[in-house]
Amino acid sequence: QLQLQESGPGLVKPSETLSFSCTVSGASISNGTYFWGWIRQPPGKGLEWIGSMFHSGNTYNNPSLKSRVTISIDTSNNQFSLKLNSVTAADTAVYYCARHRRQIVFVTSTDYYYYYYMDVWGRGTTVTVSS
Amino acid sequence: SYDLTQPPSVSVSPGQTASITCSGDELGDTYVSWYQQKPGQSPVLLIFQDTIRPSGIPERFSGSNSGNTATLTVTETQVMDEADYYCQAWDRSTVVFGRGTKLTVL
Repeated sequence: QLQLQESGPGLVKPSETLSFSCTVSGASISNGTYFWGWIRQPPGKGLEWIGSMFHSGNTYNNPSLKSRVTISIDTSNNQFSLKLNSVTAADTAVYYCARHRRQIVFVTSTDYYYYYYMDVWGRGTTVTVSS
Repeated sequence: SYDLTQPPSVSVSPGQTASITCSGDELGDTYVSWYQQKPGQSPVLLIFQDTIRPSGIPERFSGSNSGNTATLTVTETQVMDEADYYCQAWDRSTVVFGRGTKLTVL
């Protein structure tokens, strides 16, 4: 059974860099057609997608966070990571890692589009940004 | 950026049918997913590709999508269905979530 487990710092100061890792068990990150990524949820608010990465390096990121985000994959340890730099109090949130599925839909033989969803989530790790 | 609009709250009596809408420009031209999140828990995928339920999701959850509106329908709603529900789509290489709807069963 696939499981994802996040780990994070708990508390960081403004302007520092947040670092998270997500350990995947029950499946190999480097197999299959899955992306691996991150979503966050500020206290009392909704979900905000951060970004995702394929094991070959293909990456998608939320444009609103892109300049501060680095997602990486460590296939040897079956983990993937998130770094978010220059944090402020607005980055206080629960951070979830999740398996992302990208599916292709052919409209014609040459015209297609993707759709994308998250089918397995970790339990989340809470981070507070405060001095 | 692409916006998905959900009502902040929906109320339903136990055993009745609840409908949660998600609106976006030409939303029917793409696929929508739905997630359920109970307090203190991580989200759970309820519906993907507009209408498909993953294994283990009860049949009382169903989805549709046409025009500018996707709808999550919960039939024979149970108290355990009280939760936040989020719609999600993929637009211009970005995952977009709706702001969520709190379903109250009372």
